[in-house]
Amino acid sequence: DGGITQSPKYLFRKEGQNVTLSCEQNLNHDAMYWYRQDPGQGLRLIYYSQIVNDFQKGDIAEGYSVSREKKESFPLTVTSAQKNPTAFYLCASSIDWEYNEQFFGPGTRLTVL
Amino acid sequence: AQKVTQAQTEISVVEKEDVTLDCVYETRDTTYYLFWYKQPPSGELVFLIRRNSFDEQNEISGRYSWNFQKSTSSFNFTITASQVVDSAVYFCALTPMDSNYQLIWGAGTKQIIKP
Repeated sequence: DGGITQSPKYLFRKEGQNVTLSCEQNLNHDAMYWYRQDPGQGLRLIYYSQIVNDFQKGDIAEGYSVSREKKESFPLTVTSAQKNPTAFYLCASSIDWEYNEQFFGPGTRLTVL
Repeated sequence: AQKVTQAQTEISVVEKEDVTLDCVYETRDTTYYLFWYKQPPSGELVFLIRRNSFDEQNEISGRYSWNFQKSTSSFNFTITASQVVDSAVYFCALTPMDSNYQLIWGAGTKQIIKP
């Protein structure tokens, strides 16, 4: 089955630790995205990548980093510089950045203690 | 300004009732796309529809229908004969061509269907 996988579903970390969230897709999509969602809120774009080895900051990139070394993978690192990291993180992909019908993974709920 | 407004924060209806979710957008572009997504309690967003700004025909898919009106900058979503499985948060989104094709999201409308 084609789709997007995010692991783990739930993640707990101590304050001050960096943590990396996984996102893998086997849809052969060029573009990938990371969003943050806080309770009762909409989606905010953290980073996006239009093609392998290229990525751009979204609206709330501070305290986050990404890499896109492979087409199918777009991991997100939440660094200790992110002041309020507890949130629900969603990864998405689209065929290309112009078409933009985005398909989403199941999300990772990160709790920083 | 590029903006999507979903004024209804939460809607609660009884099963089998019809419900309409409002979406109003602002954009300078003459060409753009509009989307609706569903987020069930599990959290994963599910794509429902993508509409090109050139196509103002209403669309129906089973119990779902969409009313796109450029004159009022609205793209409303109606669920006919609601079912408990329709309980979710619904998001409207816009992709104007001058924002590097990034989705501009509304805040979402939480729909509760009571049995």
